[in-house]
Amino acid sequence: EIVLTQSPATLSLSPGERATLSCRASQSVSSFLAWYQQKPGQAPRLLIYDASNRATGIPARFSGSGSGTDFTLTISSLEPEDFAVYYCQQRSSWPLTFGGGTKVEIK
Amino acid sequence: EVQLLESGGGLVQPGGSLRLSCAASGFTFNTYAMTWVRQAPGKGLEWVSTISLSVGSTSYADSVQGRFTVTRDNSKNTLYLQMNSLRAEDTAVYYCARCDYTRKTDFDYWGQGTLVTVSS
Repeated sequence: EIVLTQSPATLSLSPGERATLSCRASQSVSSFLAWYQQKPGQAPRLLIYDASNRATGIPARFSGSGSGTDFTLTISSLEPEDFAVYYCQQRSSWPLTFGGGTKVEIK
Repeated sequence: EVQLLESGGGLVQPGGSLRLSCAASGFTFNTYAMTWVRQAPGKGLEWVSTISLSVGSTSYADSVQGRFTVTRDNSKNTLYLQMNSLRAEDTAVYYCARCDYTRKTDFDYWGQGTLVTVSS
């Protein structure tokens, strides 16, 4: 099973600041990595697929990068609605696995 | 508009059974693989099971293998999860999600979830 480790667990930032979230895989997942956003009481929403492709309707301030074992989700300038929990997910091999999440909170 | 509506959650005793349903609308159900993902209270996401667009191919997490069965009825646009021998650690919100049409193993639409509580 591929283990995904997300860091930091919590990121405290102010609106307008840049957020950089990390996801590290225990073995290579090539570019088969997705990012999701989840707000309290809501279902997750797909943001990024295959490491760097924005899903339909996702604002350009969200970007993904990386390949192999190290991946980054960047939010260029935080909007109030971006404060949420973010999860990475690999689809390189079964079982599909998620990271433990990074909470982006208002400082 | 794509909609996924889960139902069937509730309180069940350890060792009991429950069947979840997910009613799909707004897309051609029989052309998409579908998935169940769960989230224990205050915890992260855990993939549970995926079924291909036909009923021939299914995959399960080790934690539910042999106890849970995923099925679909394409004539009713409905996904199911039969859960047997339930344990306290199965307590979670269960989401159904549509697998992306091309990639099939990430999830582009999610339902709002149904809560399953396993407790005596």
